[in-house]
Amino acid sequence: DAGVIQSPRHEVTEMGQEVTLRCKPISGHDYLFWYRQTMMRGLELLIYFNNNVPIDDSGMPEDRFSAKMPNASFSTLKIQPSEPRDSAVYFCAVRTTASTDTQYFGPGTRLTVL
Amino acid sequence: AQSVAQPEDQVNVAEGNPLTVKCTYSVSGNPYLFWYVQYPNRGLQFLLKYITGDNLVKGSYGFEAEFNKSQTSFHLKKPSALVSDSALYFCAVRDGPGNTPLVFGKGTRLSVIA
Repeated sequence: DAGVIQSPRHEVTEMGQEVTLRCKPISGHDYLFWYRQTMMRGLELLIYFNNNVPIDDSGMPEDRFSAKMPNASFSTLKIQPSEPRDSAVYFCAVRTTASTDTQYFGPGTRLTVL
Repeated sequence: AQSVAQPEDQVNVAEGNPLTVKCTYSVSGNPYLFWYVQYPNRGLQFLLKYITGDNLVKGSYGFEAEFNKSQTSFHLKKPSALVSDSALYFCAVRDGPGNTPLVFGKGTRLSVIA
C-alpha cells in the first residue's frame, strides 16, 4: 500500500447518488490504473493513464463511470448515478519509472451502494 | 492475447506443511510473470516476479515460484506454511516488456490451519 493514497477508504451511498473516489499516487510514476474487485468477477481493469493521459478505458462498464487525471498527483473515478451493482472495492495502482515491470496498489475504497 | 488461470479457488494447508498455489499462463511472446498477495482490507502487495534468468525465483516472506516454460506454469511455493500466510493470492502476466497493464488471475484463497 505504501505511497498510493486512496480516499475515502469506505463509502456508503444510496442508489442514484454521485460517488467520487480519489487517488493520490506516489511521485515518480508514469502509469496509473483503476481496478474494481468483486467476488463474482475478481479484479477488473477499468481504465489506465500514461503521463496523465487516458490510454484505454475499454474496461469502464458504462457511461455512468468516468475517470480523470488532471495532474500527476491526483486522479478521480466518478460514478454518476450510482447503482447497487457498483458495490465493490476500487483500487488505484501505479507503475513507477524506477520499476517499470511492477504495479503498486493503494489500499482500496470499499463502495456500498444501497 | 495474454491470459492467466488459477485453477483453484481455495487451497487449505496445515501449518508447517509445504504449500503450492497454481498458475498457468498464455502469451504469444516472452512472459513476464508476477505473484501478488492481498491481506484482508488491504491492497495487493507485490511478492515476486520472473522476467528472465533462473527459473526459480525467490520473493518476500519466504515464498518462491518456479517458471516452467514447457508447462506454461508459474506455481507459487513455500516450504513451510504459516497461519499468517492466509490470504488471497493473485498470479499476473504481461506479454513481454512494454507498457500494457498486467493481466491478473481470479485469485486463490489460501487458508493455513494451525
